[in-house]
Amino acid sequence: DTGVSQDPRHKITKRGQNVTFRCDPISEHNRLYWYRQTLGQGPEFLTYFQNEAQLEKSRLLSDRFSAERPKGSFSTLEIQRTEQGDSAMYLCASSFGFGNTIYFGEGSWLTVV
Amino acid sequence: QKEVEQNSGPLSVPEGAIASLNCTYSDRGSQSFFWYRQYSGKSPELIMSIYSNGDKEDGRFTAQLNKASQYVSLLIRDSQPSDSATYLCAVNSLAGGTSYGKLTFGQGTILTVHP
Repeated sequence: DTGVSQDPRHKITKRGQNVTFRCDPISEHNRLYWYRQTLGQGPEFLTYFQNEAQLEKSRLLSDRFSAERPKGSFSTLEIQRTEQGDSAMYLCASSFGFGNTIYFGEGSWLTVV
Repeated sequence: QKEVEQNSGPLSVPEGAIASLNCTYSDRGSQSFFWYRQYSGKSPELIMSIYSNGDKEDGRFTAQLNKASQYVSLLIRDSQPSDSATYLCAVNSLAGGTSYGKLTFGQGTILTVHP
């Protein structure tokens, strides 16, 4: 399967703990995106990379969130000191170039208890 | 005003009918427009993309774009129960000159096709 891969698919954590999600994009795609989606809402943009450069980060994102794409391939999204409001599905997506189709992975579900 | 707004749902249509989903966007510089389908508990999957004014047809799906009115729609002909899902409108926006390549989504419209 050469689609966008995310890991883990499900994570339950206690409030205050740190969590990290990994995303492996489609191999030839140079752009990688992170979105967050809560029930009944559309995906909300978090950040995106072109190759290894993080080009934009949502103003809605607190300092507890950080993302990296060290070699322009896979990416990680870390959430520090998780809060119950962080419970959501975290979606990774990738594309090649500007304006082209963005393909989503299957998502990583986070539940903070 | 939200950047991307979709008609409020849920929308319920009988099997075989035409389902019409609508979306408006605020940024006149937007260049690419997409419709995604999302089944409950799953991630969005692309149905249609449209870049130019007019209609684009793909099987039972037709996307319509009117940049002057900042309006994009999706028509589903001969609706099937398997079309029951949330439909997300997404716009590739150049708002502020820095958001190139970022997709902004509407809140989604829930479609139910009943037998």
